[in-house]
Amino acid sequence: QSALTQPASVSGSPGQSITISCSGTSSDVGGNDFVSWYQHHPGKAPKLMIFDVNKRPSGVSDRFSGSKSGNTASLTISGLQAEDEADYYCSSYTTSTTVFGGGTKLTVL
Amino acid sequence: QVQLVESGGDVVQPGGSLRLSCAASGFTFSSYGMHWVRQAPGKGLEWVAFIRNDGSNKYFADSVKGRFTISRENSKNTVYLHMNSLRAEDTAAYYCAKRYFHDTSGPSPFDYWGQGTLVTVSS
Repeated sequence: QSALTQPASVSGSPGQSITISCSGTSSDVGGNDFVSWYQHHPGKAPKLMIFDVNKRPSGVSDRFSGSKSGNTASLTISGLQAEDEADYYCSSYTTSTTVFGGGTKLTVL
Repeated sequence: QVQLVESGGDVVQPGGSLRLSCAASGFTFSSYGMHWVRQAPGKGLEWVAFIRNDGSNKYFADSVKGRFTISRENSKNTVYLHMNSLRAEDTAAYYCAKRYFHDTSGPSPFDYWGQGTLVTVSS
């Protein structure tokens, strides 16, 4: 499995919205609805933000939303806050394996 | 409160071996498959291995296949990653992660991760 493709970095000002893309193929992102997004602050445990393309685990802010079109999934963060600054990874998962995107560093200006 | 605590990371010479442990608490360990994921310095996340809840099936990334194995002791709520023939490119922080859904529920992301343990392969 090849890694999914994400932009290396995105930035936005507090209060703004940003979108991070995650491109795959019809064999992974485009072939099913098993896409998730993780937030990772360096030195801490990654946190699940979105699963099954657009579902939020309990406790995750509704400022985070996911979507998909064809072979590309997207994570949108609205009302940017300083604490959103982190690395974000998409993943496509099966029953037993997972492939991650290369990660996107979000900077809150 | 779910907790995953990795241990066993160390500095090891190329060609050496190491065993990582991940102690779990706060959930019914025997109901969930467990993964290992790594992150090399300055790089992104890379899935490494998965073991089903009962240890019956194991899966590995191509980059570690034939060198790493995974096992678990449900009586001790612990999953292990056995690393052999280590290479410089195996240098990374290694995380264990729990499936979000029970093993009988099909594809699943990870809902809890440990803080990671650092493996450095260097002479």
